[in-house]
Amino acid sequence: EAGVTQFPSHSVIEKGQTVTLRCDPISGHDNLYWYRRVMGKEIKFLLHFVKESKQDESGMPNNRFLAERTGGTYSTLKVQPAELEDSGVYFCASSQVLGQVHEQYFGPGTRLTVT
Amino acid sequence: AQSVAQPEDQVNVAEGNPLTVKCTYSVSGNPYLFWYVQYPNRGLQFLLKYITGDNLVKGSYGFEAEFNKSQTSFHLKKPSALVSDSALYFCAVRSRNSGNTPLVFGKGTRLSVIA
Repeated sequence: EAGVTQFPSHSVIEKGQTVTLRCDPISGHDNLYWYRRVMGKEIKFLLHFVKESKQDESGMPNNRFLAERTGGTYSTLKVQPAELEDSGVYFCASSQVLGQVHEQYFGPGTRLTVT
Repeated sequence: AQSVAQPEDQVNVAEGNPLTVKCTYSVSGNPYLFWYVQYPNRGLQFLLKYITGDNLVKGSYGFEAEFNKSQTSFHLKKPSALVSDSALYFCAVRSRNSGNTPLVFGKGTRLSVIA
């Protein structure tokens, strides 16, 4: 079974540019989460999809961040325009929906550097 | 609000010695608790979780963790460390309100096992 995949693995952009990160969850996982880790800090929650619906987007920093999950499969996270403080590693995770408490399966992350 | 504290940024241990990576948490009610590990250039990998029942939880690669409700701790342990255990370890907590709520992470502890 394929794990959670993320693309790209690294992205270096200039302040003011736009970047789109992609996450492909494990097949059949309805829950999809985005997290971010700024250097040396905690991994912080950004938002949570259940299928194509945003369940919780309380962690989104501001309106420069836009997440979508059309069709309830893969998700994209767009940052427009990027600022220096957006640099960090963006993780995507997925989990099953119902039943027991399921652990979240994480992708390898996208390292974003804004210069 | 939920929070996780990992008081040590770095833990050094000699190969073959027991290791402990500390974690304390703050959450209302009883939590779900998790440990994840991040190897270099890899994503977060699930190690173990505490849901209910036996306070001693066994996980992957010989790791275990003990849930201590009175001390609100969930320290990660291994009886005999390997050089290959060197990695970044994250403790995480989730509210029991819903099985699919986001994880709240600590800032991570870097474990270095020296041959």
